[in-house]
Amino acid sequence: GQQVMQIPQYQHVQEGEDFTTYCNSSTTLSNIQWYKQRPGGHPVFLIQLVKSGEVKKQKRLTFQFGEAKKNSSLHITATQTTDVGTYFCAGDNTDKLIFGTGTRLQVFP
Amino acid sequence: NAGVTQTPKFQVLKTGQSMTLQCAQDMNHNSMYWYRQDPGMGLRLIYYSASEGTTDKGEVPNGYNVSRLNKREFSLRLESAAPSQTSVYFCASSPVFRVSEQYFGPGTRLTVT
Repeated sequence: GQQVMQIPQYQHVQEGEDFTTYCNSSTTLSNIQWYKQRPGGHPVFLIQLVKSGEVKKQKRLTFQFGEAKKNSSLHITATQTTDVGTYFCAGDNTDKLIFGTGTRLQVFP
Repeated sequence: NAGVTQTPKFQVLKTGQSMTLQCAQDMNHNSMYWYRQDPGMGLRLIYYSASEGTTDKGEVPNGYNVSRLNKREFSLRLESAAPSQTSVYFCASSPVFRVSEQYFGPGTRLTVT
């Protein structure tokens, strides 16, 4: 079946450093969504990408959808302690939304 | 406007007991979902309801049943709980099936001993 893998599994950074998480699908996706889950909380929707090669920005967050629509990335510039949490991608092919395994980000002040 | 609500927040069951997890949304969304989240496994879809009156199996449906009671409510039932069902369960809803963002409830932390 379809798989959506994320790397790295964990990332510890110093506040102010950049952070990137990568999402790879075994199949072509019609769209990809990104969610953030704070420790002890529930996933919260961040953004959806639909077009091949699409790049979207939200303040310090940059989201990219690959040209082949099989991979995506989330880049955070100058991390802050409020960025702590687990970031999930969720890929949609023709069946249903499949969540990646997540990248847990820890930011040290 | 509460969004997605789930009850209970915590539950401890003995092996073989049954229970129903309740979920309700007040956003007039058409689609609703049940996920389980285990450490290192991400979110796995158990069942979903694309629209009122329909339900379908997700990735890990074994041991569970669901009911879409009306447009607002979607319940998840464990008929005979097993330790492997210890997990955090999230209910979610979306305006349209698949193509729109999902809104998650606060979760139910279930332990089966």
